[in-house]
Amino acid sequence: QKEVEQNSGPLSVPEGAIASLNCTYSDRGSQSFFWYRQYSGKSPELIMFIYSNGDKEDGRFTAQLNKASQYVSLLIRDSQPSDSATYLCAVNGGNTGFQKLVFGTGTRLLVSP
Amino acid sequence: NAGVTQTPKFQVLKTGQSMTLQCAQDMNHNSMYWYRQDPGMGLRLIYYSASEGTTDKGEVPNGYNVSRLNKREFSLRLESAAPSQTSVYFCASSEGADISPLHFGNGTRLTVT
Repeated sequence: QKEVEQNSGPLSVPEGAIASLNCTYSDRGSQSFFWYRQYSGKSPELIMFIYSNGDKEDGRFTAQLNKASQYVSLLIRDSQPSDSATYLCAVNGGNTGFQKLVFGTGTRLLVSP
Repeated sequence: NAGVTQTPKFQVLKTGQSMTLQCAQDMNHNSMYWYRQDPGMGLRLIYYSASEGTTDKGEVPNGYNVSRLNKREFSLRLESAAPSQTSVYFCASSEGADISPLHFGNGTRLTVT
């Protein structure tokens, strides 16, 4: 089982819709969770991090964490074509310690005008 | 502020050649990392340096060596390049605290023929 799993997509949504990106992780001791956005040919950039159960909102983005289910998600409201990118989920803490961030393979999001 | 600077941006090597990828950060971060990114494999940690003077292996260290030259600089060396090392390499840095995010450089696209 991979440590961090994401559906590779592509996830296609129309402009203005809510995009829901999901991530599961295997290390129950994981404590910090990050979402990165990566445009094609570019480096990953941080969108949000979350470490407490529940929701965390930042503008159009909401991260949701459920440690009991080992599940973290990212909601993008009012999706824009400029949101089209690959979204990477990453976790640390747990058995790998805080120094090692473990990434999923990413979900490709396509937002159509 | 340049953030994390990697050189070179592109490199083509022949099998058996050696090279060093350079990375420098100007954010006074304690921790620095080298990742490689391959299609379908996501970002995988090669080596990291939790603080100046220390280095540790990540998930895929074979065929690589690193040097933490000072707090700012962390280099990655390929002693004898192999086609399996064709990849995009990202350097990253972080404050080193448990929830501090990674800040990535722009990447080096390496092809080994």
